[in-house]
Amino acid sequence: DTAVSQTPKYLVTQMGNDKSIKCEQNLGHDTMYWYKQDSKKFLKIMFSYNNKELIINETVPNRFSPKSPDKAHLNLHINSLELGDSAVYFCASGLAAYNEQFFGPGTRLTVL
Amino acid sequence: AQSVTQLDSQVPVFEEAPVELRCNYSSSVSVYLFWYVQYPNQGLQLLLKYLSGSTLVKGINGFEAEFNKSQTSFHLRKPSVHISDTAEYFCAVSQRTGNQFYFGTGTSLTVIP
Repeated sequence: DTAVSQTPKYLVTQMGNDKSIKCEQNLGHDTMYWYKQDSKKFLKIMFSYNNKELIINETVPNRFSPKSPDKAHLNLHINSLELGDSAVYFCASGLAAYNEQFFGPGTRLTVL
Repeated sequence: AQSVTQLDSQVPVFEEAPVELRCNYSSSVSVYLFWYVQYPNQGLQLLLKYLSGSTLVKGINGFEAEFNKSQTSFHLRKPSVHISDTAEYFCAVSQRTGNQFYFGTGTSLTVIP
């Protein structure tokens, strides 16, 4: 029933590891997003995909690579994790024509 | 580019008192405006949005917001808050073309019993 789901909910890992966060939406939306929320709650967009094509790619390290196998999924892969990557990562989806975004529950990433 | 300013980072208010959370934006083009709420350890949920039409927008949980174009503001109000309204509130703006959102830094509302 969940509209936008993310797995895992919590991710604790060591510096230097590679990890992935998965996102799925069952709303039939054509656009999906990844946001990073830091410890001060500031939300910053990282990527946006429309119909599996990258349309927004903010200045993030190239260690972060989004992958969209189909319109309902947008996964985030992070290489060589660093301490500063610790944050809550939110996936969102929406219809470009309606300018509204629906958020997933978030993935809390802790890099030790 | 757009920017969103939420002037108050923390707002404590007593239960059943009214509250106003302030949001100002800067943009050279027409925009859509949104308020989202984030309860502890949860994702963001849409409270209300202004796309066009009446400048007074009503949302869920008794919240409303007023779009003021001349002051470039979109303040959120509730006449009587409940304990359950304790949460982080985010104002956001997007251009009418394109679908990139810009979020404010959030206002932490704490309702005191």
